[in-house]
Amino acid sequence: AIQLTQSPSSLSASVGDSVTITCRASQGISSALVWYQQKPGKAPTLLIYGASTLESGVPSSFSGSGSGTDFTLTISSLQPEDFATYYCQQFKNYPLTFGGGTKVEIK
Amino acid sequence: QVQLVESGGGVVQPGGSLRLSCASSGFTFSTYDMHWVRRAPGKGLEWVAHIRFGGDNTHYADSVKGRFTISRDNSKNTLYLQMNSLRTEDTAVYYCAKDRGSWANHFDIWGQGTLVTVSS
Repeated sequence: AIQLTQSPSSLSASVGDSVTITCRASQGISSALVWYQQKPGKAPTLLIYGASTLESGVPSSFSGSGSGTDFTLTISSLQPEDFATYYCQQFKNYPLTFGGGTKVEIK
Repeated sequence: QVQLVESGGGVVQPGGSLRLSCASSGFTFSTYDMHWVRRAPGKGLEWVAHIRFGGDNTHYADSVKGRFTISRDNSKNTLYLQMNSLRTEDTAVYYCAKDRGSWANHFDIWGQGTLVTVSS
């Protein structure tokens, strides 16, 4: 199975900060990667697909990049509603796999 | 609007069985692949199973293969997960999720989740 390693596992930041989360795949997956946001007690929501395409309705403060094995999710200016846990997921092969998650907390 | 609503969760003893349902509305259910994803307490997301829109092709995580069965009834717009030989490590919130497209294998709509607790 393809393993996805996210870093950091958690971070503290202030409103207005820019943050970057990385996701590394154990083998090349081209651009077969998506990012989700999950808030406590809620279902995940799709943010970015195809490594860099913003899902409809997602603020442009979110951006994704990368291909092959190394990917990043950047939030350019953190808003209060952005404090959540973020997951990457690969869809290159079955079994589909997720990264371990990155919890973004308020400093 | 597009909606998925899970039901059927609860408390079950190890070795027991449970069937989850996921009722869909607001989209043409019969034309989309569907999935189950779970999140154990204090852990991250884990993909569980996939079924093609026609029900003719399925895939499973190794952790549930041979114990869980995903199925669907397109006439009822409903997805199912039959869970047998349950283990304590199957305790989780189970989400049904709509595939973004044919063989897209990522999820644009999620249900609110149903909690399954496996405990003696």
